[in-house]
Amino acid sequence: EVQLVESGGGLVQPGGSLRLSCAASGFTFSGYWMSWVRQAPGKGLEWVSSINGTGAVTKYADSVKGRLTISRDNSKNTLYLQMNSLRAEDTAVYYCVRWRYSSTLWYYFDYWGQGTLVTVSS
Amino acid sequence: QTVVTQEPSFSVSPGGTVTLTCGLSSGSVSTSYYPSWYQQTPGQAPRTLIYSTNSRSSGVPDRFSGSILGNKAALTITGAQADDESVYYCVLYMGSGISVFGGGTKLTVL
Repeated sequence: EVQLVESGGGLVQPGGSLRLSCAASGFTFSGYWMSWVRQAPGKGLEWVSSINGTGAVTKYADSVKGRLTISRDNSKNTLYLQMNSLRAEDTAVYYCVRWRYSSTLWYYFDYWGQGTLVTVSS
Repeated sequence: QTVVTQEPSFSVSPGGTVTLTCGLSSGSVSTSYYPSWYQQTPGQAPRTLIYSTNSRSSGVPDRFSGSILGNKAALTITGAQADDESVYYCVLYMGSGISVFGGGTKLTVL
């Protein structure tokens, strides 16, 4: 059974930093692209970032480029999101999501974690 | 900036059929955008329903179907049930690893 368990959320001051983690199990972690998707309170879903199976390729939404960094440790089956220079508008539940990528067949999010809440406030 | 558009809200009677759509602020949606659909109930993580326009995710009942209607992607729910009351999001793949979510449609079953 695929499981994605996020941790590391909490309250941080504007301009501060936080690192989110996502422990994956139930599948061959290194064989899949992974993503972070966030949801501000009462708002819709927003794709944040994706990383390929080896960690060599990363993608970012314009709203977070240069401040958030996605990475992974395949030896630990763990996905990370390093969040720097945080702003109030980064307040959201952050979901760890497995992203299915096939150049000719599909591009979609198939398994979702339960999310971890990040609150940026003084 | 590409905007993916969805109806903000929709209602359907129990047992009825409803079609939600997913469009682009500029241009038409085709299968080349690999549209996918997700269902989210309050306080829960999203659930994957449809991918690649019309493929159902594992365990999703065949009451849910996807298609292209005109210049939009569409999610049709037939025989609506009370627990279908949720927010439904579409996602379009823009290429180069970029996915864009629509704003979501809140479906009420009453």
